[in-house]
Amino acid sequence: QVHLEQSGAEVKRPGSSVKVTCKTSGGNFKNFGISWVRQAPGQGLEWVGGFVPMYRRGLYADKFKGRVTITADESTTTVYLDLNSLTSADTAVYYCAKDLGASSPLDPWGQGTLITVSS
Amino acid sequence: SYVLIQPPSVSVAPGETAIITCGGNNVGSKFVHWYQQKAGQAPVLVLHYNSDRPSGIPERLSGSNSGNMATLTISRVEAADEADYFCQVSDTVVFGGGTKLTVL
Repeated sequence: QVHLEQSGAEVKRPGSSVKVTCKTSGGNFKNFGISWVRQAPGQGLEWVGGFVPMYRRGLYADKFKGRVTITADESTTTVYLDLNSLTSADTAVYYCAKDLGASSPLDPWGQGTLITVSS
Repeated sequence: SYVLIQPPSVSVAPGETAIITCGGNNVGSKFVHWYQQKAGQAPVLVLHYNSDRPSGIPERLSGSNSGNMATLTISRVEAADEADYFCQVSDTVVFGGGTKLTVL
């Protein structure tokens, strides 16, 4: 059973960057991808992008292209979300979730990481 | 991009049946997954591939998907079912806006 453990909450200044960590355990890291989904306060779920192991690269939602980078370290079975040029609109809880691609659901999810962007 | 429409809220009394809809253009041609999110917690998968229940999910939860509407049905609603519910289509990571289920 795959388990996902995320890094802790952070407060960032507008214009800065943030790196969120998703440490995986309990599965074969080469056999699954990781999607990142965010949730602004009181809002719904929004896909940011994901790491696709088959291609060993990230795929990104159009809204975030140019501002987001998703990478993975096989040696530590960890996936990273880098988001730059932060604004207050990026304040949200960021979740990672196991993604088998194709038509599969996201399951399980990490506990979430609150990123607050404030001056 | 593809859009999924959910009612913002549904309210039912304990023991009654809650029906949460998820509308989308020809959504019946896609697989739909459903997630439950309780306050302050991460989402949890409760139905996948329209109507299959992951291990540990009670039989009171069921689903269907046809035409332009997918449905999550919760029978014999309990206080513990109070949560936000989100649908997601299978061929892209797009979510509905979420439905808050209130148990009266």
